[in-house]
Amino acid sequence: GAVVSQHPSWVICKSGTSVKIECRSLDFQATTMFWYRQFPKQSLMLMATSNEGSKATYEQGVEKDKFLINHASLTLSTLTVTSAHPEDSSFYICSARTRGRPNAPQHFGDGTRLSIL
Amino acid sequence: AQKITQTQPGMFVQEKEAVTLDCTYDTSDPSYGLFWYKQPSSGEMIFLIYQGSYDQQNATEGRYSLNFQKARKSANLVISASQLGDSAMYFCAMREGRMNTGFQKLVFGTGTRLLVSP
Repeated sequence: GAVVSQHPSWVICKSGTSVKIECRSLDFQATTMFWYRQFPKQSLMLMATSNEGSKATYEQGVEKDKFLINHASLTLSTLTVTSAHPEDSSFYICSARTRGRPNAPQHFGDGTRLSIL
Repeated sequence: AQKITQTQPGMFVQEKEAVTLDCTYDTSDPSYGLFWYKQPSSGEMIFLIYQGSYDQQNATEGRYSLNFQKARKSANLVISASQLGDSAMYFCAMREGRMNTGFQKLVFGTGTRLLVSP
């Protein structure tokens, strides 16, 4: 089945550091990838939709300059949290849809737990 | 207004029993899809089952079935013969928009925590 790999699985870093999270579709091409944020005991909130070769579409209230998204190929999207602060600590999870299969579910990576000290 | 509503913050079920997790949705789009995902404590999101708005029959996948009542806008997940490993958070999600737009988004409910006891 479709596999999405997300790396790293957890990060602990100092305030002010920029953190890059990678999302890869391992066995399928993903024209669209999605980035979510999940606070403890809460639901997933969509941050942005990443389309290969074009700019990401951000949800209302998500800072584009804070959360940089790059979708350089059909198998890789990256989320960079720039100058991270403690309030950016959260669980970030990506998902990808199989190209050419409209009814296909989004397949999720295992998520990244980000802790900013 | 909430697009996906899961009214049960937590559910308890005994092993081998069946359990129903509720989900209601709100959309004016005639074309939509409904998904259920399982999230264990480790965090990954595991796809369980899908129901399209035009599907005539309720979806089934192994021990999972979806009780789709379109007029009531409900898409409840039924887990038969519960197992200890079913203990997790369960999220209902809806995809809106025509299938070929490429910009479909998933909107998630708040989730239901299921605890299966021996």
